[in-house]
Amino acid sequence: SQTIHQWPATLVQPVGSPLSLECTVEGTSNPNLYWYRQAAGRGLQLLFYSVGIGQISSEVPQNLSASRPQDRQFILSSKKLLLSDSGFYLCAGDSPNYGYTFGSGTRLTVV
Amino acid sequence: AQTVTQSQPEMSVQEAETVTLSCTYDTSENNYYLFWYKQPPSRQMILVIRQEAYKQQNATENRFSVNFQKAAKSFSLKISDSQLGDTAMYFCAFYSNYQLIWGAGTKLIIKP
Repeated sequence: SQTIHQWPATLVQPVGSPLSLECTVEGTSNPNLYWYRQAAGRGLQLLFYSVGIGQISSEVPQNLSASRPQDRQFILSSKKLLLSDSGFYLCAGDSPNYGYTFGSGTRLTVV
Repeated sequence: AQTVTQSQPEMSVQEAETVTLSCTYDTSENNYYLFWYKQPPSRQMILVIRQEAYKQQNATENRFSVNFQKAAKSFSLKISDSQLGDTAMYFCAFYSNYQLIWGAGTKLIIKP
């Protein structure tokens, strides 16, 4: 089965500090990968998606960027965090055999 | 534009009762997928059930079943014999062309 590993589970970072959230996929190859952000009590907002190594599509202009250095690795980054970057970040993977599955999420608090 | 609407912000039922969560969507696509996801307080997003648009038969997973009406663009979730562990936010989602469009969610509370 396809498993999405995401870490850390929680993160508290000061304003202006860099960010790196990592997501890795186990159990499938060549998945489509996604980064979502969820505000409290709301639905998910798609931030980035990738259909292959080095291919990144951005859905929302913002302070964040994404990279896919390997087939099963998807990284969400920021050079300087803003207070508005606080939220719950979910990585997801999509493959023909296993459908759409999510990681366990990272709760980011920018202080 | 594709949209997903969940018209029930919150619902509560007694344990063991049956509850139906509504979802409607709007699209011009013919091939797509529909999902119901459950998000408990842990905030893990858990797939409950999935429906391919080309399949006429309604999907079923144990106590969870859907009523998929493609012409009406309706995709409701029925939970039978509800349990305390079913308490969670439930999101309806539409997937096509790498895009997963989400409803606003329904908060479901199962009362003992």
